Amino acid sequence: DAGVTQSPTHLIKTRGQQVTLRCSPKSGHDTVSWYQQALGQGPQFIFQYYEEEERQRGNFPDRFSGHQFPNYSSELNVNALWLGDSALYLCASSKLAGLNTGELFFGEGSRLTVL
Amino acid sequence: DAKTTQPNSMESNEEEPVHLPCNHSTISGTDYIHWYRQLPSQGPEYVIHGLTSNVNNRMASLAIAEDRKSSTLILHRATLRDAAVYYCILRGNDMRFGAGTRLTVKP
Repeated sequence: DAGVTQSPTHLIKTRGQQVTLRCSPKSGHDTVSWYQQALGQGPQFIFQYYEEEERQRGNFPDRFSGHQFPNYSSELNVNALWLGDSALYLCASSKLAGLNTGELFFGEGSRLTVL
Repeated sequence: DAKTTQPNSMESNEEEPVHLPCNHSTISGTDYIHWYRQLPSQGPEYVIHGLTSNVNNRMASLAIAEDRKSSTLILHRATLRDAAVYYCILRGNDMRFGAGTRLTVKP
């Protein structure tokens, strides 16, 4: 059973460009959350998707947007990249039914470098 | 959002128990206390969670204060593979991480 898979694992962009990161949740999971982790810091919550809708959102600008597909996979889009967006982007999946109690399963992340 | 406070770093010797503290004085009645850890170059992984009672699993034990304003993650015998950043998180509708405690295990 594959866990959470993310792609690409590494990528380099320049300021002003746009990026799309992808996530496939663990089998049986219906909820996907995205986190940004800057070097040396804890993960920061970006948003959470369930039933193809954004359900919760952290303190991130509208440049950060997402999508969830009928097969529960998800994309994170970041527009107008700037240097401060350089980070590890983590995807986590879970079951909505156990939102407070169930485990979050994390992927290994996509490392974005903005030059 | 309810917040947690953890020491920045802790050290332990291999094969000895480790007690990782967490303060969460503003916890609400519906918040579960979750612990995750993050090994170098990996995503966070689940360790344990609880609501009011102490919990045990194969990885660790979680001791929760009676007033729920603090908790302690207990690793019974630390190994070198337990060296990681440990995050204490209050989980409501979402899950927000703090800075965590970096645990160093010395051989």
